[in-house]
Amino acid sequence: KAGVTQTPRYLIKTRGQQVTLSCSPISGHRSVSWYQQTPGQGLQFLFEYFSETQRNKGNFPGRFSGRQFSNSRSEMNVSTLELGDSALYLCASSSGDRRNTEAFFGQGTRLTVV
Amino acid sequence: GESVGLHLPTLSVQEGDNSIINCAYSNSASDYFIWYKQESGKGPQFIIDIRSNMDKRQGQRVTVLLNKTVKHLSLQIAATQPGDSAVYFCAESPGNTPLVFGKGTRLSVIA
Repeated sequence: KAGVTQTPRYLIKTRGQQVTLSCSPISGHRSVSWYQQTPGQGLQFLFEYFSETQRNKGNFPGRFSGRQFSNSRSEMNVSTLELGDSALYLCASSSGDRRNTEAFFGQGTRLTVV
Repeated sequence: GESVGLHLPTLSVQEGDNSIINCAYSNSASDYFIWYKQESGKGPQFIIDIRSNMDKRQGQRVTVLLNKTVKHLSLQIAATQPGDSAVYFCAESPGNTPLVFGKGTRLSVIA
């Protein structure tokens, strides 16, 4: 059974640009959550999607958005990039049938904004 | 490798000794807890979970203890090995909400 796949692994973008990251969850999992990881703030929750609907949202500005497709794959988009958006972006998949279930992470996408 | 956190608490243990990593959680409504291990350059890896109706759960070489009275969680690793060197995170879920992660503890195993 394949794990959680995130693409790309590394990205370098310029301030003001926008970026789209992709996450393919474990087969059969319907919930995808996105997290931002930085040395100073640790792992911070961005949002969760379940069956193509945003189910929870963290405290990030509207420049951060996401969506989920019918095959459960998810994308997150960051517009008007700022230097502070440089981070490791992680997605986690779970079955989603009961929220308190194991969540499995991908390797992450390392975004560097210059 | 990439640094997960530059100023994390660090626990150094001798190879073969037992390790105990502690975590204080914040929300008394949390009813589900997970420990993750994150190695440099990788995503967090699930280790073990525990629900609030239990106070102890054992896995392979790991034990999680939950003390709801003082909102404390610990991860015990038996016979610590060099491959256990990583950053360990506890995460809590306050009932039907996404996981909230602690800041992490860096475990360094001395060979």
